[in-house]
Amino acid sequence: DTEVTQTPKHLVMGMTNKKSLKCEQHMGHRAMYWYKQKAKKPPELMFVYSYEKLSINESVPSRFSPECPNSSLLNLHLHALQPEDSALYLCASSPPADTGELFFGEGSRLTVL
Amino acid sequence: GQNIDQPTEMTATEGAIVQINCTYQTSGFNGLFWYQQHAGEAPTFLSYNVLDGLEEKGRFSSFLSRSKGYSYLLLKELQMKDSASYLCAVMDSNYQLIWGAGTKLIIKP
Repeated sequence: DTEVTQTPKHLVMGMTNKKSLKCEQHMGHRAMYWYKQKAKKPPELMFVYSYEKLSINESVPSRFSPECPNSSLLNLHLHALQPEDSALYLCASSPPADTGELFFGEGSRLTVL
Repeated sequence: GQNIDQPTEMTATEGAIVQINCTYQTSGFNGLFWYQQHAGEAPTFLSYNVLDGLEEKGRFSSFLSRSKGYSYLLLKELQMKDSASYLCAVMDSNYQLIWGAGTKLIIKP
């Protein structure tokens, strides 16, 4: 299994909704990432979990709340989002050796109305 | 500051060769990556260079010169499906990936 699986693929939510994005990998990778990508821009790092501990939080607003229940799962909880948060949210994982190669999921396309 | 520069857009002809350049200035260097991203899809890994020289992988090759802070991605025998954005990314001294803005490659018949 060499995949990173993200659900849902598409999500439309209002500004008062609470929703979650989910990410799963079974490659034994111990680092998992959330990226946000706007159209025609490179991915922007949001959070990094290393060995299930939050190691990097790139000053992301608190309306985004990450969670790593175990080494295979990564969630991103969304609450009170703004229309400008509409973007493609990418989950990625990387193997223990710091080669930096990221394995990306297909992304969750989020639209905030 | 950290900076990665690559052209915004390039156009090439099917069957031809194209070279996409990337220059970087980062705090430390632990490797340079090229990713391909089709519109609306996630990036996919193409290559990794940490030592100077050329790495060849099928129709794609990537070159690195650490002293010049320079890399290029060479695509040969271009196919229409190669139309995509190509992202250059450098891993800095903290093992964080610094991303370029990407080069949109348009292939014409």
